[in-house]
Amino acid sequence: AQKITQTQPGMFVQEKEAVTLDCTYDTSDPSYGLFWYKQPSSGEMIFLIYQGSYDQQNATEGRYSLNFQKARKSANLVISASQLGDSAMYFCAKSDSGSSNTGKLIFGQGTTLQVKP
Amino acid sequence: DVKVTQSSRYLVKRTGEKVFLECVQDMDHENMFWYRQDPGLGLRLIYFSYDVKMKEKGDIPEGYSVSREKKERFSLILESASTNQTSMYLCASSGTLRALRDNEQFFGPGTRLTVL
Repeated sequence: AQKITQTQPGMFVQEKEAVTLDCTYDTSDPSYGLFWYKQPSSGEMIFLIYQGSYDQQNATEGRYSLNFQKARKSANLVISASQLGDSAMYFCAKSDSGSSNTGKLIFGQGTTLQVKP
Repeated sequence: DVKVTQSSRYLVKRTGEKVFLECVQDMDHENMFWYRQDPGLGLRLIYFSYDVKMKEKGDIPEGYSVSREKKERFSLILESASTNQTSMYLCASSGTLRALRDNEQFFGPGTRLTVL
């Protein structure tokens, strides 16, 4: 079964500093999509950024960027200039099965990020 | 604006009760999903549906059933609630899957269910 691994259950970062949240995955598919979501304490999942396995460049969205290393099967989220509002749980997810796109996502366990003032 | 709503934010039920969790999306999405979220386990897929009246089991369907009578509505049913079903339940939807990017799921606010 495909697996997404987020090895950091919890992390701290100082306000205004950058932080990297790790994500690795198992797959034998050549074609897949990777997604990162943020979940504040309110509970709603907020989409942050997407990376396609064939995309030539690493994805960026404002202060979020992906350090995508396909050969290593990793897609680490980098948050630059951390803000107090970045304190939340972050989930990495991968599209399920490249041959028949079912619409399912497989999620990692999540990383809780706390930004310190 | 994209919207997925869930019938309750918080719910408290007793063991053995039949529980209905409702999810409605206004984006005309084909695909709808029910997850449960538990600490340290991430999101686990219970059931999903890719069309009206169609349903597929996810990774942890035991103790749950679903209903999708209309495209916009996907209901999760706990036939006889048990304490181990105390959890956060998240509903999500996604649209036509023309490309991998379309796998993005849009989530509701979640229902925190406590079974006593």
